[in-house]
Amino acid sequence: GDSVTQMEGPVTLSEEAFLTINCTYTATGYPSLFWYVQYPGEGLQLLLKATKADDKGSNKGFEATYRKETTSFHLEKGSVQVSDSAVYFCALSDRDFGNEKLTFGTGTRLTIIP
Amino acid sequence: NAGVTQTPKFRVLKTGQSMTLLCAQDMNHEYMYWYRQDPGMGLRLIHYSVGEGTTAKGEVPDGYNVSRLKKQNFLLGLESAAPSQTSVYFCASSLQRPGLAISITGELFFGEGSRLTVL
Repeated sequence: GDSVTQMEGPVTLSEEAFLTINCTYTATGYPSLFWYVQYPGEGLQLLLKATKADDKGSNKGFEATYRKETTSFHLEKGSVQVSDSAVYFCALSDRDFGNEKLTFGTGTRLTIIP
Repeated sequence: NAGVTQTPKFRVLKTGQSMTLLCAQDMNHEYMYWYRQDPGMGLRLIHYSVGEGTTAKGEVPDGYNVSRLKKQNFLLGLESAAPSQTSVYFCASSLQRPGLAISITGELFFGEGSRLTVL
């Protein structure tokens, strides 16, 4: 079945550091890929997405490129801020018939220190 | 701008008690979902619905029941609560199938969560 594997956390960085959170996936079809973010005390919200190979999703300075050859969708940001502290979830939805749901990774907790 | 609203936000139950979590969305979304979030496990899908009057099992459905009698509401029931059901529960809704590769994003909108403790 479909699955998503994220790098283990927690991740702690200093402000203005470069961020990479790794995500790899297994899917039977051709999935769409997503990054969701959960700020403290809140529900998840969509950060960015990519729906086909080589697409780059971007939002709020974050980027991720859909790499079919390595089945990866790594999240990057060039200069993190304290306000980026949150839990980040990689997710996929298979575009084959019956793609009504998202499969999430375990989440990576990110803490940015001033 | 209510979006997705979950009630209650917090609840403590004793083993064997029953309860219902209510999810309400005001965005006229077709798809609704119940997830549970546990440390180290991420989000796991319990049940979902692709439209009024329909429900389907997700990854971890045992011990839960759901109903979607009205399009805007999705209820999650625990008939006989167990300590293993201690978790944070999230409801979500989407306009389209999440994986559709068209301009409509299929984005899931989440509620703020309901923290349930079973003693």
